[in-house]
Amino acid sequence: DGGITQSPKYLFRKEGQNVTLSCEQNLNHDAMYWYRQDPGQGLRLIYYSQIVNDFQKGDIAEGYSVSREKKESFPLTVTSAQKNPTAFYLCASSPGARGTGELFFGEGSRLTVL
Amino acid sequence: EDQVTQSPEALRLQEGESSSLNCSYTVSGLRGLFWYRQDPGKGPEFLFTLYSAGEEKEKERLKATLTKKESFLHITAPKPEDSATYLCAFAGGTSYGKLTFGQGTILTVHP
Repeated sequence: DGGITQSPKYLFRKEGQNVTLSCEQNLNHDAMYWYRQDPGQGLRLIYYSQIVNDFQKGDIAEGYSVSREKKESFPLTVTSAQKNPTAFYLCASSPGARGTGELFFGEGSRLTVL
Repeated sequence: EDQVTQSPEALRLQEGESSSLNCSYTVSGLRGLFWYRQDPGKGPEFLFTLYSAGEEKEKERLKATLTKKESFLHITAPKPEDSATYLCAFAGGTSYGKLTFGQGTILTVHP
């Protein structure tokens, strides 16, 4: 079945550690996105990529980094520079480089900083 | 500043009790208004896209409508399985995927 796979589902991190969240899609979509969701708030865009080897900052990119070396993969690294990393992270994809607004989301990764 | 506000924050209904969720938006150059459903601990699931005022879309017990300043998600005769958080979002700019999301409405339908 086609879809988006995020891993791990749950992740615990000590302060000062970098962690990488995996996102893989087999939908052959060009565009991929990372959103962050906090309780009572809407999703906020961290980074997005419209083609391989290219990505742009979203609204809250500080403290995060990404890479897009393959069309299928868009990993997100949460660095120690991110001041409040505890959140629910969602990866999404959309057909076409500019997307269609119909985003296909993964199941999410919940990061907790201890 | 582009923004979107959803109301109410939470809505409790009895099974069969119809109601509407509101999504008010301010954006220069709307490219699309989107509704998503999100179950607890899951990623959002796409429901509808609306592009212009007056447009309506339906799916089972849900109907989405759009005016120049608001969108409504009407729920007719809801069932407990309709319980979820409903998110609206709009697209502006050059990339449809750069959606701006509202904070969501948590819908609970009691049997």
